[in-house]
Amino acid sequence: AQKVTQAQTEISVVEKEDVTLDCVYETRDTTYYLFWYKQPPSGELVFLIRRNSFDEQNEISGRYSWNFQKSTSSFNFTITASQVVDSAVYFCALSVYGQNFVFGPGTRLSVLP
Amino acid sequence: DTEVTQTPKHLVMGMTNKKSLKCEQHMGHRAMYWYKQKAKKPPELMFVYSYEKLSINESVPSRFSPECPNSSLLNLHLHALQPEDSALYLCASSQDSTGVNYGYTFGSGTRLTVV
Repeated sequence: AQKVTQAQTEISVVEKEDVTLDCVYETRDTTYYLFWYKQPPSGELVFLIRRNSFDEQNEISGRYSWNFQKSTSSFNFTITASQVVDSAVYFCALSVYGQNFVFGPGTRLSVLP
Repeated sequence: DTEVTQTPKHLVMGMTNKKSLKCEQHMGHRAMYWYKQKAKKPPELMFVYSYEKLSINESVPSRFSPECPNSSLLNLHLHALQPEDSALYLCASSQDSTGVNYGYTFGSGTRLTVV
């Protein structure tokens, strides 16, 4: 069975601080995909990144970066120089081919001005 | 068009009412999904349509009835709901039913309140 854990329920930071959101996953499949979604107060889930299990390269997109480590089954997400607009709930998700997404419980990030 | 559009955005209904939620996408995606999300919880899968056919029903009560009239539209018919059914209902689509290659595109949801 697949499982995603996001140990941080809520995080508060002050604007311009860096923040890392943790994600740990469990699967016995060797081929899988990991995702991060952002859910702002408006409700929609916004796709941020997809990573397959064969690509362990870290990725940077502007202020966002992701650290994928298969050895620890982790796919952590860092926001550099956080902004108030980053306030949202962030979900990590796992997908194994032929099965549907398993979402983590989410981390609520509050960025204070 | 890279959006999934859901209507209405908000809905308040009584327990004896019949209402429908609508979802539309024009990205050529062949799989569409209904998710239910309670406050402070992750989305929970309800139904999956693949190529306009119902492929997954996650043991959802019959008071929720999905319909896929064509490849671009997905409806969720509601009847005799309970207050505990109040939630955010999210529609999503993906290129195929695995959803793995590109992830899901989600709509902004319908916030449903049952009184």
